[in-house]
Amino acid sequence: NAGVTQTPKFQVLKTGQSMTLQCAQDMNHEYMSWYRQDPGMGLRLIHYSVGAGITDQGEVPNGYNVSRSTTEDFPLRLLSAAPSQTSVYFCASSYSSRGGNQPQHFGDGTRLSIL
Amino acid sequence: DQQVKQNSPSLSVQEGRISILNCDYTNSMFDYFLWYKKYPAEGPTFLISISSIKDKNEDGRFTVFLNKSAKHLSLHIVPSQPGDSAVYFCAAPHNTDKLIFGTGTRLQVFP
Repeated sequence: NAGVTQTPKFQVLKTGQSMTLQCAQDMNHEYMSWYRQDPGMGLRLIHYSVGAGITDQGEVPNGYNVSRSTTEDFPLRLLSAAPSQTSVYFCASSYSSRGGNQPQHFGDGTRLSIL
Repeated sequence: DQQVKQNSPSLSVQEGRISILNCDYTNSMFDYFLWYKKYPAEGPTFLISISSIKDKNEDGRFTVFLNKSAKHLSLHIVPSQPGDSAVYFCAAPHNTDKLIFGTGTRLQVFP
């Protein structure tokens, strides 16, 4: 059982470039989410989804887009990368659509550097 | 506005002794709390949770205490082991679908 798989593990971008961080889960979970972790800031919610076709904003959504066309996949898109988006990104999932109230399973993260 | 606060960035404890990690919250509507543990280069893993209808929840060496009047919860690890060295996050759901995390406490357990 793979759980939550994030790719790539590491990425370096130049300012203004775009890229997509991939997240896939094989547990048939309804709820999926993206967080960023920055020093001294903990984990902050970027976007989340309570099911296929449904997405909503978290605490820090600006500069990021998401879509949820299937239950399994929840990609995070950076449209025009900025140095402030340098961070470690985590994808998570939980079985219930009320994902905040259930323990979430996390991927191992994508470390992203924007030059 | 930090709704979930962990005011101690780090804690160092000797192996075999008790580790106490603290967390405060400001939103009185929070009714469920979770603790996650994170090792370097890995994602957080769920450790233990507590509902506001309880004031204590225990799972092996881990116990979480909730003081609703003080808006305070704590995680006790007894006895502490070197493998417990990690960053610990407390978290609370906001409107059931958004999880709010604290800033984390780095625990180091030394021999």
